[in-house]
Amino acid sequence: TQLLEQSPQFLSIQEGENLTVYCNSSSVFSSLQWYRQEPGEGPVLLVTVVTGGEVKKLKRLTFQFGDARKDSSLHITAAQPGDTGLYLCAGARSGGSNYKLTFGKGTLLTVNP
Amino acid sequence: NAGVTQTPKFRVLKTGQSMTLLCAQDMNHEYMYWYRQDPGMGLRLIHYSVGEGTTAKGEVPDGYNVSRLKKQNFLLGLESAAPSQTSVYFCASRDPGPETQYFGPGTRLLVL
Repeated sequence: TQLLEQSPQFLSIQEGENLTVYCNSSSVFSSLQWYRQEPGEGPVLLVTVVTGGEVKKLKRLTFQFGDARKDSSLHITAAQPGDTGLYLCAGARSGGSNYKLTFGKGTLLTVNP
Repeated sequence: NAGVTQTPKFRVLKTGQSMTLLCAQDMNHEYMYWYRQDPGMGLRLIHYSVGEGTTAKGEVPDGYNVSRLKKQNFLLGLESAAPSQTSVYFCASRDPGPETQYFGPGTRLLVL
């Protein structure tokens, strides 16, 4: 059962364009994380959001956690070729143990010069 | 600090052979994880450990075994490799709470 659905699966845009990636679920998460993975490397954490409605900014990246803590979005302004990579969202389930993170399948972003 | 390291980086096995993947972390983290990543499937949890001497099954544990004899090491074993186990394997570690999960660089395994 895929608890976290990411969309789109693939995204190819030109440098300077804006984009939004979505991470949706029917389950409530106590926290949600976004990772970026470059070819041949492991994922690296970008941000963790824990409060419903929370918005965090990391330079040109804006992350939002839904009010009900079931979904999240990542918005990139003026994308650059260095933003190219696989973006993964991961959630820690609410209630019980939070030992495990549930990962979405990822959005593969290509920013063309 | 080296963070999370994985050995080996790449391996080719024949069907039926066995091998052990080693993960080491120097951050004194309590939790450690083994994932496999396949095209279109995302990261799938194989086994995990919430402390030295403990292990638990994840989403896709069949065909794999693990051990955590020391807090800093988490070993993933394949007793009899199958072509379906061709994948990229990632180890990760973190502490309890909404803390950063640190990943290793991955081990690329090809089973012929």
